Amino acid sequence: NAGVMQNPRHLVRRRGQEARLRCSPMKGHSHVYWYRQLPEEGLKFMVYLQKENIIDESGMPKERFSAEFPKEGPSILRIQQVVRGDSAAYFCASSPPGLAGVETQYFGPGTRLLVL
Amino acid sequence: GNSVTQMEGPVTLSEEAFLTINCTYTATGYPSLFWYVQYPGEGLQLLLKATKADDKGSNKGFEATYRKETTSFHLEKGSVQVSDSAVYFCALSNTGNQFYFGTGTSLTVIP
Repeated sequence: NAGVMQNPRHLVRRRGQEARLRCSPMKGHSHVYWYRQLPEEGLKFMVYLQKENIIDESGMPKERFSAEFPKEGPSILRIQQVVRGDSAAYFCASSPPGLAGVETQYFGPGTRLLVL
Repeated sequence: GNSVTQMEGPVTLSEEAFLTINCTYTATGYPSLFWYVQYPGEGLQLLLKATKADDKGSNKGFEATYRKETTSFHLEKGSVQVSDSAVYFCALSNTGNQFYFGTGTSLTVIP
């Protein structure tokens, strides 16, 4: 009964590099959510995706950040030209089809991104 | 807007001690309130929830009561165990898909 999987668990990048964070939802889940936790802050919603569609990206920074959830494979959160302020924990959650909503979200363990 | 303010940690308690982790919120309308727990190396797990004023959520000996008059949802447990050591997050939801989380409180229970 595999839960939501995220990899890598820890990622170190130098300023200007790209970071790719992966999220494999629970089996049978077709909704994915990304959250970011900056140091000393709570988790903040970034984006909500269904297969091949972005449903709500109201929490995504306007530049350098993008997310996708292809028909096959994991969801990817991509950060281009990382800066030190991108250092944070990035959490992914998934929920089953037809039951989108906060109460049905299952969270992964997170990816800790450190930008040097 | 929506926000959650949570008691700062870390909190260290002896086994069988009483636990309170404070949580207050700001929201429009009538949000649902949640406590999540994150054990080391794992994802956040829903611990308990309450969807309307005066509701009490409970699970695994933990309780929290939705207090609209004080905009609070404090987490309590009468007798903590070493296995309760984790990070606890208070959260609210005021729309269909988004959570608003507190910063998390780290709890360590020593034998």
